Amino acid sequence: DIQMTQSPSSVSASVGDRVTITCQASQGISSWLAWYQQKPGKAPKLLIYAASSLQSGVPSRFSGSGSGTDFTLTISSLQPEDFATYYCQQANSFPLTFGGGTKVEIK
Amino acid sequence: EVQLVESGGGLVQPGGSLRLSCAASGFTFSSFEMNWVRQAPGKGLEWVSYISSSGSTIYYADSVKGRFTISRDNAKKSLNLQMNSLRAEDTAVYYCARVLAPGYSSSPWGQGTLVTVSS
Repeated sequence: DIQMTQSPSSVSASVGDRVTITCQASQGISSWLAWYQQKPGKAPKLLIYAASSLQSGVPSRFSGSGSGTDFTLTISSLQPEDFATYYCQQANSFPLTFGGGTKVEIK
Repeated sequence: EVQLVESGGGLVQPGGSLRLSCAASGFTFSSFEMNWVRQAPGKGLEWVSYISSSGSTIYYADSVKGRFTISRDNAKKSLNLQMNSLRAEDTAVYYCARVLAPGYSSSPWGQGTLVTVSS
């Protein structure tokens, strides 16, 4: 199975800050990496697919990069509605696996 | 509007069974692959099962293999998850999600249904 290691597990940031979350796969997954946002009590929402493609309707302050084993989600200017937990997921092969999550909290 | 609505969750004793359903609307259900993903209380996301658009290809997580069965009825636009021999560690919110091809990311997700396994 492909292990997904996400860091940090939590980050405190202020509105307007640039936030970067990283995800490392235990083996190469090309660009088959997705990022999700989850707010308390809600279903996850897809932000980025294929490592860097922005899902329709997602604000452009979200961006993704990387390929192979190392990936990054960047929020260029954190907004109040962005405080949530973020998960990466390898979308390359079964079993599909998720990172442990990164909670973005208000500083 | 694309919508997925899960149902069938509830409280069940260890060793019992439960059948989850996911009703799809707003898209051509028969053209899309589907996933089930679960989330234990306060924990992260865990993929459970996948089914191809025709139902001919199915995968399971090792943690549920031999106990859970995924199926679909394209005529009824319905995805199902039959869960047998349930354990306390199966307690979670279960989400159905449409696969976004190529690759196996998921969007959108249903609102989830809670399964609690407890005596």
